[in-house]
Order: sequence, then C-alpha cells, then structure tokens
Amino acid sequence: DAKTTQPPSMDCAEGRAANLPCNHSTISGNEYVYWYRQIHSQGPQYIIHGLKNNETNEMASLIITEDRKSSTLILPHATLRDTAVYYCIVRDKAAGNKLTFGGGTRVLVKP
Amino acid sequence: KAGVTQTPRYLIKTRGQQVTLSCSPISGHRSVSWYQQTPGQGLQFLFEYFSETQRNKGNFPGRFSGRQFSNSRSEMNVSTLELGDSALYLCASSLDLAKNTGELFFGEGSRLTVL
Repeated sequence: DAKTTQPPSMDCAEGRAANLPCNHSTISGNEYVYWYRQIHSQGPQYIIHGLKNNETNEMASLIITEDRKSSTLILPHATLRDTAVYYCIVRDKAAGNKLTFGGGTRVLVKP
Repeated sequence: KAGVTQTPRYLIKTRGQQVTLSCSPISGHRSVSWYQQTPGQGLQFLFEYFSETQRNKGNFPGRFSGRQFSNSRSEMNVSTLELGDSALYLCASSLDLAKNTGELFFGEGSRLTVL
C-alpha cells in the first residue's frame, strides 16, 4: 500500500503557482519524499526529492514540514504543459528501485 | 544522451500466448526496474535487477519473470497471458539507488493488449 495520501485532482490557472499537498504521516526517519509526474501516455518523470530540508530545482520547489508528516510540491508558474498526474512517494534507500505509487493528483492547468 | 528505450512500443497478443519485452537503460546505469500500469491498479512494481541479479520483486505471479544481461539491458517475460495482463509496462533505469538518492528514468513503455 502507498504510504502517501494526495487529493485526486485539482485545477490551476496558467501562470499561477500550483501547490500540491501530500500527507505521509507514517514516514520513517530514513525515508525520502519523491515527486514524479506522468503526462498522458508517457513514462513518469522525476521532479524533485528531499529528506528534511526544503529543496528547489529548475522544475519545482519541495516544502517538507518540520515533523515530516506532510509536504507540498510547488510549481511556481504553471503552464499548460504541466497538466499531468503528480505522484508523491516515500522511499527508503534500502528498498532500491521499488517505488510504491499511489493514485496521485491529476492536475489540470487551465488557460 | 539517449534515454531508456523500450521495445516494442505496442503489441497485441491472445490469451495463452507469451510475450517478451525489452529495455535498454541509459548508458552507465546498472539498475533496471519494471512496472505495470493499469487503469484499475495504477503503477505497480514488478521487479528490479542490478548486475544481472534480481534484487527486489513485487507481488506478481510466477508467470512474470525477467532477466538482465551483462550490458545491463533487461527483458521481462509474461507467460500464459491473461486478459488482465493488458497494461502499459514501464522500464526504469538508474545508478545504483541502494547507494544513491537520485532519480529513476522511465522509458515510454510497452503497451500490451491481450485479446
């Protein structure tokens, strides 16, 4: 079973920030939070990951609460090409490449 | 550099047949994992290979098998196909994630239809 809970869908206006929440209340100390997205008919694409500190890269920012029980992925200026299903995943390095995907959040960016 | 390449992209089989799917990882990546994606079950982990050895396995029946070659290329095989095996099969490669916290790179997938 997935260890994360995400809203099934959300809409976002083009050019505005999209804030995608994720709950992972049972996360353990050595588990990382990963975000992937899947655009229709394509393979999932890595976005960002973090352990404790907030992270930022060219695609997005990841805000992890101090207790690590939840996180938020921020797409600073959503474009129509950001329409996709976004998956929040917790992963233990010891699990190797075994990622457990939940249902994700279907994000629709509207003009 | 070239991404993860999966072949074939699309295929149609009938019940009872078997199928072999191929995955060429990104050059230098030694870890290959396979996932099944269906509308009902979502993305599910099948297995992972590293240095020609299966390192991890998901909860799938023995009809699903795989292997990895010395050049890191991987194949997965499904025998005695069932209608429920119709899915998008995704391959992902990475550096050795047991030692890294980097990302998986997914291919475009092989879409299998079982009639």
